[in-house]
Amino acid sequence: GENVEQHPSTLSVQEGDSAVIKCTYSDSASNYFPWYKQELGKRPQLIIDIRSNVGEKKDQRIAVTLNKTAKHFSLHITETQPEDSAVYFCAASIGNGQNFVFGPGTRLSVLP
Amino acid sequence: KAGVTQTPRYLIKTRGQQVTLSCSPISGHRSVSWYQQTPGQGLQFLFEYFSETQRNKGNFPGRFSGRQFSNSRSEMNVSTLELGDSALYLCASSLAALAGADTQYFGPGTRLTVL
Repeated sequence: GENVEQHPSTLSVQEGDSAVIKCTYSDSASNYFPWYKQELGKRPQLIIDIRSNVGEKKDQRIAVTLNKTAKHFSLHITETQPEDSAVYFCAASIGNGQNFVFGPGTRLSVLP
Repeated sequence: KAGVTQTPRYLIKTRGQQVTLSCSPISGHRSVSWYQQTPGQGLQFLFEYFSETQRNKGNFPGRFSGRQFSNSRSEMNVSTLELGDSALYLCASSLAALAGADTQYFGPGTRLTVL
């Protein structure tokens, strides 16, 4: 079946440093790639997304890049803050409609 | 607009019982998807309903079923509960105005514990 790999599984950075999380997908027909942040005990919150007709998208300290040829996409967080600490999930759309495969998640810890 | 809501928030059942979970999407959203979240398996897609029809289905046994009503509210049912069904069940709604995949907004989830 379709698969999304995500690395690293855990990531610790110092406050102010950058964090990068990488995902690889298997379905070449995937055309929508959202990223979610989930804090402990809370719902996943969309933080940024990208469609296959765009190579890069930025929103303040957060950016996502997409390489369709290599079938991978990455989340970049600059100037990290303690409140960025959470689990981050990438996802890729498959088939028609709202059908997504999620990566296993990356636990990001920002150390003050 | 009010966000996605789910009821109940917590549920404790015993093996063999059945359970029904409810999800109310954001007003105007026509698509509701359901996910199972566990520490070991992560977020796994159960099914998606759009305009009262199941449009997509994940790899879960037939004990997991759902439906959507004309007001887009959705219910998920799990019959003959097993210990392994203990999980956080999340629903997500989307406008689904586009032909392809659309932004999903998650509800707070229902924490199901099977004893």
